[in-house]
Amino acid sequence: SQQGEEDPQALSIQEGENATMNCSYKTSINNLQWYRQNSGRGLVHLILIRSNEREKHSGRLRVTLDTSKKSSSLLITASRAADTASYFCAPTAGGYNKLIFGAGTRLAVHP
Amino acid sequence: DAGVTQSPTHLIKTRGQQVTLRCSPKSGHDTVSWYQQALGQGPQFIFQYYEEEERQRGNFPDRFSGHQFPNYSSELNVNALLLGDSALYLCASSWPRRGLGETQYFGPGTRLLVL
Repeated sequence: SQQGEEDPQALSIQEGENATMNCSYKTSINNLQWYRQNSGRGLVHLILIRSNEREKHSGRLRVTLDTSKKSSSLLITASRAADTASYFCAPTAGGYNKLIFGAGTRLAVHP
Repeated sequence: DAGVTQSPTHLIKTRGQQVTLRCSPKSGHDTVSWYQQALGQGPQFIFQYYEEEERQRGNFPDRFSGHQFPNYSSELNVNALLLGDSALYLCASSWPRRGLGETQYFGPGTRLLVL
């Protein structure tokens, strides 16, 4: 299916460490987006990577995409307590922008 | 520039009742999507509205219906509420470019509790 599946389900690290989250999907995609959600609030868009791109950076975020393996990873470097949130990947396909989310990765960054 | 707004923020209803949730998209956006997020789960796509018509629909029963107005704002209606409808309802707006996908901007959500 188009749904992204995040791994691990939960991740606990110390401030300053790097956090890596993975996403797998099953169909061909146009692009893949990563979103963050703080404590049951609205989702915030982090980064969009298109199917013809392999890597993209935004501040402390680095996203990779491997379409041959149908997988993506999100790396947060030098994590901060404010990065504590749930992170979701959303592969998109077809003509319309329907986002299909997995259960997400819950990241806890401890001071 | 106002982002996506939703109202109300919280709502308590009883089983069998009907509820209407409202969403105003980000300025310049013409497409509104609705998602349901149960506790501990990812958001699930309900449907998407464009040009005042439902363009896509997820795996939700007909009790879930919507509307989009000429100013692009949207309503989500849920009839005959069930306990399982308790969730955070998220609205997202976008300005789609066909075939490319587009970033969606989410509102803060409406938390619905059905007793």
